[in-house]
Amino acid sequence: AQSVSQHNHHVILSEAASLELGCNYSYGGTVNLFWYVQYPGQHLQLLLKYFSGDPLVKGIKGFEAEFIKSKFSFNLRKPSVQWSDTAEYFCAVNPYNTDKLIFGTGTRLQVFP
Amino acid sequence: NAGVTQTPKFRILKIGQSMTLQCTQDMNHNYMYWYRQDPGMGLKLIYYSVGAGITDKGEVPNGYNVSRSTTEDFPLRLELAAPSQTSVYFCASKTEYTDTQYFGPGTRLTVL
Repeated sequence: AQSVSQHNHHVILSEAASLELGCNYSYGGTVNLFWYVQYPGQHLQLLLKYFSGDPLVKGIKGFEAEFIKSKFSFNLRKPSVQWSDTAEYFCAVNPYNTDKLIFGTGTRLQVFP
Repeated sequence: NAGVTQTPKFRILKIGQSMTLQCTQDMNHNYMYWYRQDPGMGLKLIYYSVGAGITDKGEVPNGYNVSRSTTEDFPLRLELAAPSQTSVYFCASKTEYTDTQYFGPGTRLTVL
């Protein structure tokens, strides 16, 4: 079955630390990839997405993610986190030619000043 | 342009009660989705619809029903509420031209 794995369930960082959240998926075909963010008390918002082309994609608020096809991975990175980045982050995969998103279990990020 | 709206924001039900979670979007999106979010489990797809009059089951449809009589509305019905349905429910929509889904603010449901 298709699945998305986020191995970091809870990450705690100090401000200015670098961030990398892992995302791996199990699907052999073409995929579209997404990172969504859910700030406390808010709904999910799109952070960035990859459809094709340059495997390094940049999103809002200084986030970026790199698609490595050989590793079935789409890790999220940010060089220097801020307290306002405290949120839950979800990786999602859309297998090509389907209308569905398959979500990972999420990573809760806490950033302390 | 309000995007995706959901009502109510919070609800407490007793076991066996029924209720309808409302979802409306004003973006003229054909595709609409219902997810439930449980702690540590991510989002699971309950039902989805690719247009008015067309609905299909997702990963966890048992205990729920949906209808799609208009493009704008996609209500989710719980007929006999059970404690296992305690969750946060999110509605989402998208066009047929993109795979980016837009989410509503969610409904937090507790079944006691």
